[in-house]
Amino acid sequence: AQSVTQPDIHITVSEGASLELRCNYSYGATPYLFWYVQSPGQGLQLLLKYFSGDTLVQGIKGFEAEFKRSQSSFNLRKPSVHWSDAAEYFCAVGPYTGTASKLTFGTGTRLQVTL
Amino acid sequence: GAVVSQHPSRVICKSGTSVKIECRSLDFQATTMFWYRQFPKQSLMLMATSNEGSKATYEQGVEKDKFLINHASLTLSTLTVTSAHPEDSSFYICSAATGRNTIYFGEGSWLTVV
Repeated sequence: AQSVTQPDIHITVSEGASLELRCNYSYGATPYLFWYVQSPGQGLQLLLKYFSGDTLVQGIKGFEAEFKRSQSSFNLRKPSVHWSDAAEYFCAVGPYTGTASKLTFGTGTRLQVTL
Repeated sequence: GAVVSQHPSRVICKSGTSVKIECRSLDFQATTMFWYRQFPKQSLMLMATSNEGSKATYEQGVEKDKFLINHASLTLSTLTVTSAHPEDSSFYICSAATGRNTIYFGEGSWLTVV
């Protein structure tokens, strides 16, 4: 069965500091990996996704993620955090079958940004 | 990016009544849509997969007679919570998949059953 682990429930960083959110997955086949961001009371916005190709993926809002197969990880990074980045971040994994498939989400990491 | 819209964003209903939530893909056709439920400060739990023109596929433990899903067109799926109870109060989110298998989420709908 597929699963996603986000070890950090809550992270606090200072504005301007770098950020790394961890994500580890368990999946029997080639995974299709996603990072989403959710502001309070809102839906989810796709930050980036990875299936194949360059293992360093660029997303929106200055985020990037690196796929490391050997570590089963897909960590999200940002060089300099802005106060508006405070939100809940979800990592998700799903199969890439050519048609839409359901995603399995991690428990999320809540990011707090201090000024 | 693609836009998925949910309506209503917030709804309050009385116990025992039914409430319908709509999920629309605004600028693309979605053969498949997904319905999730999210409890406060928790992750998203998939409820069902909605396929246009066919019956929805429900996840284990989800009551299909209570959570009715209809996917009548390539741009619209509806979730109807029947005979709602306070424990059904939650944040419901839909998602829709584009032809490139990228999944976009709606803004979510807050349901409060009083």
